[in-house]
Amino acid sequence: GNSVTQMEGPVTLSEEAFLTINCTYTATGYPSLFWYVQYPGEGLQLLLKATKADDKGSNKGFEATYRKETTSFHLEKGSVQVSDSAVYFCALSSNSNSGYALNFGKGTSLLVTP
Amino acid sequence: GAGVSQSPSNKVTEKGKDVELRCDPISGHTALYWYRQSLGQGLEFLIYFQGNSAPDKSGLPSDRFSAERTGGSVSTLTIQRTQQEDSAVYLCASSLTGTGVYEQYFGPGTRLTVT
Repeated sequence: GNSVTQMEGPVTLSEEAFLTINCTYTATGYPSLFWYVQYPGEGLQLLLKATKADDKGSNKGFEATYRKETTSFHLEKGSVQVSDSAVYFCALSSNSNSGYALNFGKGTSLLVTP
Repeated sequence: GAGVSQSPSNKVTEKGKDVELRCDPISGHTALYWYRQSLGQGLEFLIYFQGNSAPDKSGLPSDRFSAERTGGSVSTLTIQRTQQEDSAVYLCASSLTGTGVYEQYFGPGTRLTVT
């Protein structure tokens, strides 16, 4: 079945540091890939997505590229801010009897210090 | 416009009691999803509705769990004879449907604690 593996946290970085959160997936067919973010005390929200191989999703300075050859969708940001402190979830979906139900990774907690 | 709302926001119940969790999706969203977020299991998919129909109920953890959706809108997730392992945050999401993938918008969740 489909599955997502992402690096364990927590990740602690200083402000303006470079961020990479690794995500790899296993899936049949051609899933769509997502990064969701959960800020403290808030609900899950979509950060970015990519729907086919070599697509790059980007938002708020974050980027991730859909790499079919390595089955990866790593999240990167060149210069993190304190306000980026949150839990980040990598996810995939593909059409099935469950619609486009999301299959999530375990989440990576990011703490950015001033 | 209004987002996805869920009620109650918190629910504490005794083991063995039944609970009902409610989700109000974004108006016009025909797809509705329930997920559960727990420390041990992470985020797991429970059930999907297209309109009022749930084509696949295999994601529900046990036969104590059931869900319905009426009028293509509100959905309720019912847990009968609650157990301590049911303690989790229950999330609802809704989306448009059509050709391709649409963003799922999540509600704030219902935190269920079974004592």
